Parts: sequence; C-alpha cells; structure tokens
Amino acid sequence: DSGVTQTPKHLITATGQRVTLRCSPRSGDLSVYWYQQSLDQGLQFLIQYYNGEERAKGNILERFSAQQFPDLHSELNLSSLELGDSALYFCASSVGGPVGGELFFGEGSRLTVL
Amino acid sequence: GENVEQHPSTLSVQEGDSAVIKCTYSDSASNYFPWYKQELGKRPQLIIDIRSNVGEKKDQRIAVTLNKTAKHFSLHITETQPEDSAVYFCAARANGGYQKVTFGIGTKLQVIP
Repeated sequence: DSGVTQTPKHLITATGQRVTLRCSPRSGDLSVYWYQQSLDQGLQFLIQYYNGEERAKGNILERFSAQQFPDLHSELNLSSLELGDSALYFCASSVGGPVGGELFFGEGSRLTVL
Repeated sequence: GENVEQHPSTLSVQEGDSAVIKCTYSDSASNYFPWYKQELGKRPQLIIDIRSNVGEKKDQRIAVTLNKTAKHFSLHITETQPEDSAVYFCAARANGGYQKVTFGIGTKLQVIP
C-alpha cells in the first residue's frame, strides 16, 4: 500500500459525459501529480500541484481540469468525454518542495468511455 | 521542457542473463533520475534512483549508472529472474519537487525461464 488513495477504481461512462477522479495523497506529501496511461502506453504527465498551487502542466486537454484543495486532496475533472479518453489515470504524491522526494503512485482509476 | 528517451521498448532475456535499459534526457538542469517498475495491472513502484552528484548506485541485483556529460543513464539488472518481468520506466526531474517528473516510454522486459 503506497498510502495514496484514488477513487473510483473503475468507471464506465458514455461519450459526452463528465467524470471526476479523486486522489488523497500520502500523509505529509504536499505535491500531487496526475498521469494518464493508455493501453500499452507510457505515463503521460497531465498536471502537478504543490500545496494547492499549480506547478507544472503537461499536454492536458482543455476538456480536462484539476485542482488541489486546502486539505491537499486533488480532483481531476474530465468533460465531454471521447472514446480516446479511455485510460488508466494515476495520481502520485511526493513530499515536494526542495526535497522533492520519491513519487508514490495510487492504484489508478480505470476509465472506460463507451 | 524535459524530454526523456528510453530504449529498447521491448527486451527478452533468458533467466540468469543480464538486462540493460538505456535513457537519455535533454534538460541539463535535471538532477534526479528514478526508475520505476510496473507489473501488469499494478501501479508503478520505485526500484532505484540516483542523483546527479553520484555516478553509480547499486542495490543487490539492480544498478543504475549516470553520465551527466552525455545526459545518459542506464538500468542494469543482473541474474534476471522471471519475477523481473514487467515494464520499466526511467524518469528525470529538475529543481527539487517543484518540477514535473518526466517519464520515458517504458521498456517491457520479458525474462524467459
């Protein structure tokens, strides 16, 4: 158990819909990262937050948005879903800041868009 | 931004042989290089990491080498075992924890018994 909690584990929805993925980082970690992993693909960086502020952005689609709340949990919102959005979405956390620290991954949220 | 290239994309070795996976990075400011192992259907997990002030690090059958001049780092697995079969990702990060961690495309390692 990495200490990073992601919900839901599985989600099946239809094209055009909107979903929210939730991530609770490890206790004490201030940085949260979101990655997308499509079938047999690598880890595509979406976005990073540190202590509530956005720190880095990858090739995140405009239909996607995220935020980190004061209690440090994070949510990734995916809207106007398309078939190609079907993927495993990982959240990771680290201590962040000047220390940086190891990334600990959650179990992922598997999104299927039909 | 940082770009990490990884090769090979697939690698098959006989049990007991060694496996080597190579990565290059583009941002000279990168100073932290972790390697993650992802078993089928599971989350990536850190297996070893190296910082730019170190040229080599070893942990039992796993070792990582770093060449800052060439912007190149490699993972070496000796005496491979079937349980080493997985996808391995290299990654790079600069500026402590304020920057994103950029991953390579991954290497699917198959250890043949």
